[in-house]
Amino acid sequence: DTGVSQNPRHKITKRGQNVTFRCDPISEHNRLYWYRQTLGQGPEFLTYFQNEAQLEKSRLLSDRFSAERPKGSFSTLEIQRTEQGDSAMYLCASSQRYNEQFFGPGTRLTVL
Amino acid sequence: SQELEQSPQSLIVQEGKNLTINCTSSKTLYGLYWYKQKYGEGLIFLMMLQKGGEEKSHEKITAKLDEKKQQSSLHITASQPSHAGIYLCGADIGTNAGKSTFGDGTTLTVKP
Repeated sequence: DTGVSQNPRHKITKRGQNVTFRCDPISEHNRLYWYRQTLGQGPEFLTYFQNEAQLEKSRLLSDRFSAERPKGSFSTLEIQRTEQGDSAMYLCASSQRYNEQFFGPGTRLTVL
Repeated sequence: SQELEQSPQSLIVQEGKNLTINCTSSKTLYGLYWYKQKYGEGLIFLMMLQKGGEEKSHEKITAKLDEKKQQSSLHITASQPSHAGIYLCGADIGTNAGKSTFGDGTTLTVKP
């Protein structure tokens, strides 16, 4: 257990539905990251926050994806109008600035 | 990721044997991280290397950073079945923004 938690651990949804994932970072960490990982690939960067500010967003993140980190604590990642190509493991990580990232266990999304 | 190339892609070794995994960057590295992942789970932080020539060890795992070659190696001595998993290198590439790019991983199998 790294201290980063993610919920739910698994989500099965039908194409076109909206889904929301939650990440609770290690409390003293000011940076929070979201990644997407598919089978046989390394994690792909999606976005990151420093405190409550979203500092960077990958071009991979279409308009259907939105992330928030209100009050600089937990974060949510929402995917609207899910597509089968969204099926992946969504990983959250947290860090203190420029230090190593600690990852949560991930949320596995399956879009039918 | 094409920016971080890992080799080999997979490795099968007999218990007790030594092995090396390499990670090569196509761009300047600002910090290099090694993680281990079990299938379907999050990443577990192993080591972080920040300076050229730096070498770190933890139990039977040693990592080195060759900044000039933009390359890192992970060496496991006297491998055990508990070492089995996917080893991923991650790095802050080309910019010191703190987001990480990951290699696609090396899958290690240790035969008892």
